[in-house]
Amino acid sequence: QQQVKQSPQSLIVQKGGISIINCAYENTAFDYFPWYQQFPGKGPALLIAIRPDVSEKKEGRFTISFNKSAKQFSLHIMDSQPGDSATYFCAASRANDMRFGAGTRLTVKP
Amino acid sequence: KAGVTQTPRYLIKTRGQQVTLSCSPISGHRSVSWYQQTPGQGLQFLFEYFSETQRNKGNFPGRFSGRQFSNSRSEMNVSTLELGDSALYLCASSSSPGRDSYEQYFGPGTRLTVT
Repeated sequence: QQQVKQSPQSLIVQKGGISIINCAYENTAFDYFPWYQQFPGKGPALLIAIRPDVSEKKEGRFTISFNKSAKQFSLHIMDSQPGDSATYFCAASRANDMRFGAGTRLTVKP
Repeated sequence: KAGVTQTPRYLIKTRGQQVTLSCSPISGHRSVSWYQQTPGQGLQFLFEYFSETQRNKGNFPGRFSGRQFSNSRSEMNVSTLELGDSALYLCASSSSPGRDSYEQYFGPGTRLTVT
């Protein structure tokens, strides 16, 4: 049972554009929603995270939007750069039992 | 502060053998979680240890087991290896003092190949 659904599977964006990745979850017990960035050959790196009592969180060029009633959350990458090209995973967690989305491969073209 | 370290980084085993992977968490972190990453199934939660006790467990067969030591270092063991066990095994540590969700920081992983 896929508890976290992520889309799109892949995304191509021009340099300077906005990258948007969406996720939906099923279990309302989840209380923590992180996004991870993974480069080939590396482990996932925590990018930004949000808790359900907040509707938006921004850190630099990265913003999470959270809609608790719809059980959806999204990652926005502003002014996307070629160095942002990586695979992005959303996740939902309850007591460190973390369930991941399938990942989005982002390519930022120069 | 040093990050999460995992050893070995690469491993090749034969079907039927067993394997033990090691993880050292970030200093001060007491929670260690293990994940399996494959192209087909993505990132899947194996189990989490906190204060030497397994606190959460994913949907994996009993061939997958783990333990945590008093210094928070953790090991996971896979017995009777199958070809489908070939994957990147990731360890993540967290400072979670209780049962709430906290930031998890991943190590570089151990790439296991079963032939």
